[in-house]
Parts: sequence; structure tokens; C-alpha cells
Amino acid sequence: NAGVTQTPKFQVLKTGQSMTLQCAQDMNHNSMYWYRQDPGMGLRLIYYSASEGTTDKGEVPNGYNVSRLNKREFSLRLESAAPSQTSVYFCASRGISGAANYGYTFGSGTRLTVV
Amino acid sequence: GIQVEQSPPDLILQEGANSTLRCNFSDSVNNLQWFHQNPWGQLINLFYIPSGTKQNGRLSATTVATERYSLLYISSSQTTDSGVYFCAVTNDYKLSFGAGTTVTVRA
Repeated sequence: NAGVTQTPKFQVLKTGQSMTLQCAQDMNHNSMYWYRQDPGMGLRLIYYSASEGTTDKGEVPNGYNVSRLNKREFSLRLESAAPSQTSVYFCASRGISGAANYGYTFGSGTRLTVV
Repeated sequence: GIQVEQSPPDLILQEGANSTLRCNFSDSVNNLQWFHQNPWGQLINLFYIPSGTKQNGRLSATTVATERYSLLYISSSQTTDSGVYFCAVTNDYKLSFGAGTTVTVRA
């Protein structure tokens, strides 16, 4: 049981380049999330998907787009990368409502540097 | 969103010592989790504890939902306990994180 899998683990982009961060979960979770973590800070929500077919903005959505491809996969796209998007990106999914553990599971993160 | 305050911001322990980390939150919640971020950046889920008390080895946690706080206890600390401990809460879909407590355990 892999949990939440993110790819790639590391990426360096030049300003203006685009890329897509991939996330997949194998726990049959309905909701999925993208967070970013900047040095010395907690995580901030970029976008989330409460269920397959829906997406919503979080705290810091500017410069990003998302796609909930199916129940398992939720991707994050940077259309024109900027140095301010240098961060560690975490994908998460949440257990099923009513389950004993209705908690979040996080992937191992993608460390992105924009130069 | 819900405001989450963690204290202390930093904690230095001698190996074998016990400690308590605190998390206060500003609204009622239906989810509270404690995470450990290790030096490699991985976020490890320690406890899902919206209320009550749980124990897992040397770690235990208590959440008093009516008073809007949670405590994480580390007993007989080891160097592998070093890292940042985050409290995170939600009452809808959006998990809000505290700024974390950085724990350093010295041999």
C-alpha cells in the first residue's frame, strides 16, 4: 500500500517554464489537496478537490492550476514558473467521512527551485 | 480560516528527557492531527485525535475539544525525535497548520 505518491521528487525550472506535478493515491480517498511549504513556515493550501470532478481554490492559488483526472490522481500545473514559486510542494488525501480515521495522508513532497 | 498557535516555537532536550508541546486553536474542529516532519522533510502522521487521548509508544496526545487545545507528550526522548512537530486542524475541507515546534534532542 503506497499511500500518496508524488512525482517528481526534485525539479529545477527556469523562470517562465511550465511543469506539472503529479499526485496519485491508492486509498480510495475522495478528497485531495495541494500544499506548499516555505522555509520556517507551516503548510499553506493551494488548491483542493473535495471529490472527483470538483476543484476549489485554497489560500494561495495564484499562478497555479489543478486537474482532478480521476478519483486517484490530482495534478498541479505551473504555467509560467516564477522564483516566488520556489518551495516544497505536498500532495495529500483525506480518509472517508465517518471512518475511524478521517485524517489526512501526505506524500513525500516535491522540492521545486525556480531560477 | 481557523487560527492555530503552537508553543513553544523551539525546544532543546537532552536525550531521555520528557516534554510537552501545545496546540491552541480558535474554533471547533472535526479533525486534528499531529505530524512530525523529519530532517529529510517527510511529514509523518503521528495522531489523528479530534478529541480524547491516544498513545503510541513513547508518544501520546490529548485533545480537549471543548477548551480548544491539544497536547503532545514525548517521553524518554531520543535523537530520532528531532524535527518539527506540526498541529493541523479543520472543520471543513481545509486543513490549517500551526507554525510548528522545532525539537532538537541532543545525545
